[in-house]
Amino acid sequence: AQSVAQPEDQVNVAEGNPLTVKCTYSVSGNPYLFWYVQYPNRGLQFLLKYITGDNLVKGSYGFEAEFNKSQTSFHLKKPSALVSDSALYFCAVRDILEAGTALIFGKGTTLSVSS
Amino acid sequence: GAGVSQTPSNKVTEKGKYVELRCDPISGHTALYWYRQSLGQGPEFLIYFQGTGAADDSGLPNDRFFAVRPEGSVSTLKIQRTERGDSAVYLCASSPSTSGGAYEQFFGPGTRLTVL
Repeated sequence: AQSVAQPEDQVNVAEGNPLTVKCTYSVSGNPYLFWYVQYPNRGLQFLLKYITGDNLVKGSYGFEAEFNKSQTSFHLKKPSALVSDSALYFCAVRDILEAGTALIFGKGTTLSVSS
Repeated sequence: GAGVSQTPSNKVTEKGKYVELRCDPISGHTALYWYRQSLGQGPEFLIYFQGTGAADDSGLPNDRFFAVRPEGSVSTLKIQRTERGDSAVYLCASSPSTSGGAYEQFFGPGTRLTVL
C-alpha cells in the first residue's frame, strides 16, 4: 500500500533563512512524487514533481526538492524563505506500477515564515 | 487559460438532504478526480474518471456517494441522505491523461460542504 508521512505539523522559519519541509513515502515499486501548496480558501497549487532522472528537482517560486531513494524521502527546500511562502504544504506520491490512480497525500505541514 | 472550476463554492444543507457538486475540468483533460479534504488532513481520493467512465471508485465511502461524467467533461458528485460526517471540502482535479501517471493534477478551489 502507498503512504506518505509528513512528520511535522508546523515549521517555523525567519524570513531570509533556508527552509525544509520533510516528506517520506512508501510504495511497492518506484514512486512519482509531488509537492503542492495550499493558500487559505484556495485550491492546491502544483509546485514540483519527481518522475525520473536528476534527484534534485526545481519548481515554482524558488522551491526545490531532493529525491533520496535509500531514505525514501522527498524533502522540500528553499534557500531563502519569504513571508509570502507561509501556507500549507502537501507531499503526494503515486506508485508508477499503479499509473492512472489517484495521488496519496500526506496530512500537510503548515509553514510559517516570520518577518 | 481557465483552470478547474467548481460550483458552488459553499453549500450548507440539512442532514438527510441530497446535494450535487459540480466540477468543470480544464478543457481537453481526459482524467478527472474527486477528493475530499477534512480539517487538518490531506485530500483523500474518492473517484476518478478516464473519459466518461469511472475507472476507479474505490474511494467512495459508501453507496450514498455517486459521481457521473456523462460527456467526458463536466462531472457531478452526488451525495444522498447527507450526514454531518460528510462535512468537508470536496476538491476536483484534472490532468491531461492518466497514461504513465507522470502528469500532475490541476485542482479546483473546492466546494465547502456543511451538513447541519
